[in-house]
Parts: sequence; structure tokens; C-alpha cells
Amino acid sequence: DAGVIQSPRHEVTEMGQEVTLRCKPISGHNSLFWYRQTMMRGLELLIYFNNNVPIDDSGMPEDRFSAKMPNASFSTLKIQPSEPRDSAVYFCASSLMQGIQETQYFGPGTRLLVL
Amino acid sequence: DQQVKQNSPSLSVQEGRISILNCDYTNSMFDYFLWYKKYPAEGPTFLISISSIKDKNEDGRFTVFLNKSAKHLSLHIVPSQPGDSAVYFCAANENNDMRFGAGTRLTVKP
Repeated sequence: DAGVIQSPRHEVTEMGQEVTLRCKPISGHNSLFWYRQTMMRGLELLIYFNNNVPIDDSGMPEDRFSAKMPNASFSTLKIQPSEPRDSAVYFCASSLMQGIQETQYFGPGTRLLVL
Repeated sequence: DQQVKQNSPSLSVQEGRISILNCDYTNSMFDYFLWYKKYPAEGPTFLISISSIKDKNEDGRFTVFLNKSAKHLSLHIVPSQPGDSAVYFCAANENNDMRFGAGTRLTVKP
């Protein structure tokens, strides 16, 4: 298996533009997580899905952020409009939920820079 | 609010010696704890975990200790190797809500 796949790996955009980050989880996994990593706050959980349904989006910073999971093999995280403070590395992770002993497998991340 | 804290941003250790990475948490409802290792330009990779019903879990050179009364978690690496140089994240889980510490950068010197 190729692991969790994220695209693009790097994104540079201007303030106000729409940004879409993509994630393909590991085949067979039924949970998907979006994280943001910054120097100030470390790794933060933004939202997670179970069986394609958003379960907890309390970590989403504000209405400019939205995430979808139209099927078991694809998810997007969208920022519209983007702001310089959104610059961070965004990680997607997936897992096969089996009780609490759940290991999440992370993608390589998308490094976003908003100018 | 930071429910999981790694108060040491960096740690430097000589090859062959023990590395001890510490983590404190505030939420007593956390029931599962994990350590992740992260190399530059890569996503975090799972290292070792421990359930709240245990106080120790060992896997090769890596041992995780849990002190629930002190709400403290530590990762021991013995012996440390240069390839262990990475950022280590402590994570705590409650109902699949995973909280991470800010990370500790470990440097193992040859």
C-alpha cells in the first residue's frame, strides 16, 4: 500500500485565494483526520471523519475552513479566502478504528504558504 | 488550551546513552497515549503506545512509562542512535479526539 497520499506537497498562494488540499487515505481505513502543524501550536486536530461522516469539526479555526469526504478514498480541506496566518503544514491521517487502540497513519503533509 | 505539554523543545544526547522524553497532560479522561516520531519533510510515524490501564509498555529500544497520578508520560530510548534524531510528539486520546504536544527535537550525537 502506498500509504496516505496528500497533494499538493507544497502550495504558495496569495491572500484571498482559495486553497484546496487533497487526501487519499489508506485503502480499507474508515477514519480520516486533518491536522495543522504550526511552530506556535504544534499539531492540532482540525476535523475527523468516520465512514465518510464528519464527527468532530470543533478544531476548524473558522468558517473559512471546510472539509469534505465524498467517498471512502478521498477528502478535501478547503480554505476560502486564505490568509497569511493560515500558513502551516497540513497533515492528513487515516486509521482503522478498532476501539481505542487506534494508530493513525500520516501522509507527508502539504506545506502551505499564503503571501 | 494545551491539554498535552512537552516542556522541553529540544534534547541532545550522546550515542549509546539513554534519551528520556517527557510529556504532561491535564485531562484525566485521556485513555490512550501515543508517541510519534517525525523526520523533516515527512508526516509523523507511529512509534509506541500505552493504554491508561498500564504503566509501562516496551518495544525493543523504546519504553513508554505512564504515571496517571502525576499525569505524566515519558519515552525512554536505550541505547540512543544517531538515526533516532527527529522530533518526537506525545499524543493523548479521548474518544478519538487526539491531542498532541508541541514536540521535542531529539539530537543524538555520534
